[in-house]
Amino acid sequence: DAKTTQPNSMESNEEEPVHLPCNHSTISGTDYIHWYRQLPSQGPEYVIHGLTSNVNNRMASLAIAEDRKSSTLILHRATLRDAAVYYCILRATNTGNQFYFGTGTSLTVIP
Amino acid sequence: DTEVTQTPKHLVMGMTNKKSLKCEQHMGHRAMYWYKQKAKKPPELMFVYSYEKLSINESVPSRFSPECPNSSLLNLHLHALQPEDSALYLCASSRIQGYSNQPQHFGDGTRLSIL
Repeated sequence: DAKTTQPNSMESNEEEPVHLPCNHSTISGTDYIHWYRQLPSQGPEYVIHGLTSNVNNRMASLAIAEDRKSSTLILHRATLRDAAVYYCILRATNTGNQFYFGTGTSLTVIP
Repeated sequence: DTEVTQTPKHLVMGMTNKKSLKCEQHMGHRAMYWYKQKAKKPPELMFVYSYEKLSINESVPSRFSPECPNSSLLNLHLHALQPEDSALYLCASSRIQGYSNQPQHFGDGTRLSIL
């Protein structure tokens, strides 16, 4: 199964950019990279997804390495509301395109 | 506000009780999912329904029985649960199953405690 590796935790100062890394060295050509976040006492929330090219939306940017073996979620200005667990997920064709969550990165935002 | 609604938000039940968890979405999605999440762990996939038919069962014990009565509703029937089944149960939906560029929309879950 395609797997992801993320740091267990990261800290960021408020209003500074945050770069959350994810390694997925076993990714195959048709696997999409999805990012979700889970705030305390809530269900996971969709953040962004991509295949090969970098992606931007109102919440974040996704930078995908040229070999696709890693990606980085970029929050441009962290706020206290961005404190959450961030999951990098490969939606893999060899697992029926289901979501198999990795362990995620717990982001702490310091005021 | 989430577009996937789960009820109840909290449930406490004994090991001999029978109860049901309910999930509802009105986004016209045709794939619905149940996940189980233990404290400080990532969600784990339990069941997938596609067009109201069960398509994936991740070897879940039979004391958990899913049901999809129509395209908007997903139930999880619980019977003779064990204390280790205490967890947050999450429901999700997506437009269709099987396409890897489809995001999933999650509810906020039902927190289940087994006495």
